[in-house]
Amino acid sequence: SQTIHQWPATLVQPVGSPLSLECTVEGTSNPNLYWYRQAAGRGLQLLFYSVGIGQISSEVPQNLSASRPQDRQFILSSKKLLLSDSGFYLCAWVPGLQSGEQYFGPGTRLTVT
Amino acid sequence: GENVEQHPSTLSVQEGDSAVIKCTYSDSASNYFPWYKQELGKRPQLIIDIRSNVGEKKDQRIAVTLNKTAKHFSLHITETQPEDSAVYFCAASKGPGGYNKLIFGAGTRLAVHP
Repeated sequence: SQTIHQWPATLVQPVGSPLSLECTVEGTSNPNLYWYRQAAGRGLQLLFYSVGIGQISSEVPQNLSASRPQDRQFILSSKKLLLSDSGFYLCAWVPGLQSGEQYFGPGTRLTVT
Repeated sequence: GENVEQHPSTLSVQEGDSAVIKCTYSDSASNYFPWYKQELGKRPQLIIDIRSNVGEKKDQRIAVTLNKTAKHFSLHITETQPEDSAVYFCAASKGPGGYNKLIFGAGTRLAVHP
């Protein structure tokens, strides 16, 4: 079956520290993958998407970056966190490119202190 | 770029009443319109979607309508129950040609009171 995982589930980091969030997908190959951020009580903002290994498109300029080192792995990183980076980070994937249905992972709740 | 506006931002109804949430989109090339339900602290869950070649779609107590000419679509929930209380998000996509990227509305917080 097809599943999506994210870790860690929660994270508390000081301002200026680095960040690495991981998303992996099982049961499929060559999925489209997406990173969203949701600030507290707000909507979902698309940060990055990837259509294949090493292919990253950025939607919003900021101090975050993304990488896709393997077909089913998507990583969100930062060299120095800001307070404004706090939020709920969601990875999503599209199992069937023609259908377009997008499903979310369980998310990582990041608090920058 | 594409913009999706969603109204109302909050909605309070009595159990058994109907609830309607409306969204408008700006890009006429959008052709896929999903709705997500997000409970507190959880991931958004896809509850229903509609494509541009369809005007209405129904699944038990929920339905979605699409007016391509006016570029708006709506979510209808009938016979609301307390477990329908959540934040609902609409979204628009240009499908595979647009890399299946979703642009979301700001969300509607629905409260269903017993």
